[in-house]
Amino acid sequence: DQQVKQNSPSLSVQEGRISILNCDYTNSMFDYFLWYKKYPAEGPTFLISISSIKDKNEDGRFTVFLNKSAKHLSLHIVPSQPGDSAVYFCAAGGGGSNYKLTFGKGTLLTVNP
Amino acid sequence: DAGVIQSPRHEVTEMGQEVTLRCKPISGHDYLFWYRQTMMRGLELLIYFNNNVPIDDSGMPEDRFSAKMPNASFSTLKIQPSEPRDSAVYFCASIPGSPLGEQYFGPGTRLTVT
Repeated sequence: DQQVKQNSPSLSVQEGRISILNCDYTNSMFDYFLWYKKYPAEGPTFLISISSIKDKNEDGRFTVFLNKSAKHLSLHIVPSQPGDSAVYFCAAGGGGSNYKLTFGKGTLLTVNP
Repeated sequence: DAGVIQSPRHEVTEMGQEVTLRCKPISGHDYLFWYRQTMMRGLELLIYFNNNVPIDDSGMPEDRFSAKMPNASFSTLKIQPSEPRDSAVYFCASIPGSPLGEQYFGPGTRLTVT
C-alpha cells in the first residue's frame, strides 16, 4: 500500500511559467515532508522541506504548500527554468522518526525552452 | 567533502552469484541508509544504521539481503544469491545526527542480474 503518492508520472511546462507538482499521503503520523530532485545517473538531492506545524515554506523559486486536512502537499516552481528538468520525489517522515522516509514514485518534470 | 561515495557504479552479474555493493558516507555523519529504486516500487528504504548499529531492517526484502557497517566510514549491502528481480538502482545516503531528514545521497549502483 503506497503511503505517499505522486499521481502524475510526468509534467511538461514552458520556460518562465509555473510548475506545480503534487503529492498525497495517507499516513496521518507523517509530520515532516521533503522534496528531492534527481537528475539522470545521479542520486536524489534535497530541495525543500516543511514541517506539519507550517502550511507554507519558501526558498527562492521553490515553495512547498501543505494542506494537512487534505493530506496533500505541492511544490511550486516559479519561474520554471530548463535546468529544473528532472525527476521530483516527494518524501514523508514522522511518527517520532524523521529518519525513516517514505518516498513517492516521482514526477518527471520537463521544462521546454 | 566528496559526498557519499558508492561503488561500483554499475554491476552486471548472473543469477545465483553473490553481489556486494559498497558505500562510504560523508565523514562525521552518524546515520547511513540503504535504498532500492525500481520502476514498480519507486524508492524504498531497505535498512538504516546509527553509529554503525543497524536500527531498522524491516525493508530488507528477504534473507538473501544483508548489510553491514564495520566502521563509521564503510558499509556493504550484499545479495546472495542474486536473482533477476533484484535488478534495480541501489542508493546509499547519510545524515549527521540531526532530527531533520535531509539525507545526502550517493550516485547509486545500477545492478543488473541476468
